[in-house]
Amino acid sequence: DTGVSQNPRHKITKRGQNVTFRCDPISEHNRLYWYRQTLGQGPEFLTYFQNEAQLEKSRLLSDRFSAERPKGSFSTLEIQRTEQGDSAMYLCASSIRTGEETQYFGPGTRLLVL
Amino acid sequence: AQKVTQAQTEISVVEKEDVTLDCVYETRDTTYYLFWYKQPPSGELVFLIRRNSFDEQNEISGRYSWNFQKSTSSFNFTITASQVVDSAVYFCALSVPFSGTYKYIFGTGTRLKVLA
Repeated sequence: DTGVSQNPRHKITKRGQNVTFRCDPISEHNRLYWYRQTLGQGPEFLTYFQNEAQLEKSRLLSDRFSAERPKGSFSTLEIQRTEQGDSAMYLCASSIRTGEETQYFGPGTRLLVL
Repeated sequence: AQKVTQAQTEISVVEKEDVTLDCVYETRDTTYYLFWYKQPPSGELVFLIRRNSFDEQNEISGRYSWNFQKSTSSFNFTITASQVVDSAVYFCALSVPFSGTYKYIFGTGTRLKVLA
């Protein structure tokens, strides 16, 4: 069990550029979640997948954000036309449907938009 | 609406002191889970403990213990004989049923500094 991995760990970009982050969940986990965490705050839910289906999206997820999980394994989160307000830590978590619903988190991608 | 309150923004203790981190939650759901996660400077959220709403038994794991009281909607976390390696931000989270899965609502975290 290698845990949840995320790439890149850090990303610096200029306002207006597009960025894409990748998350690889724990291999047998069928549920995958994206969260955003700003300084001094707890993580906030963005979206969730069960296998390849995106089942819920938060109102925090504007139309500049899109997430995919094409084969029910890894997931990508893309932000188009980045804004300075997008600067945050983006966390991915995965869980397995057993009734426990414990989510295991990756190390996050820290985004800085200049 | 669901909410988690961690009123302590930052706590500093000297090594070997005991420290308690407070967590108060709000929900109307009868089935829910409560969690504590540790976030070291590296950023990864490390799972520490999960309790379900029907199990109010306190739990001890080494130097860590948790006190769950439904009557006061609290789920407090105590570290006994703190160590420098315990320095981190600790998050309490409430997990409630949501669209076929469970949604996490996190508190704002408590930064614990353990001084040598």
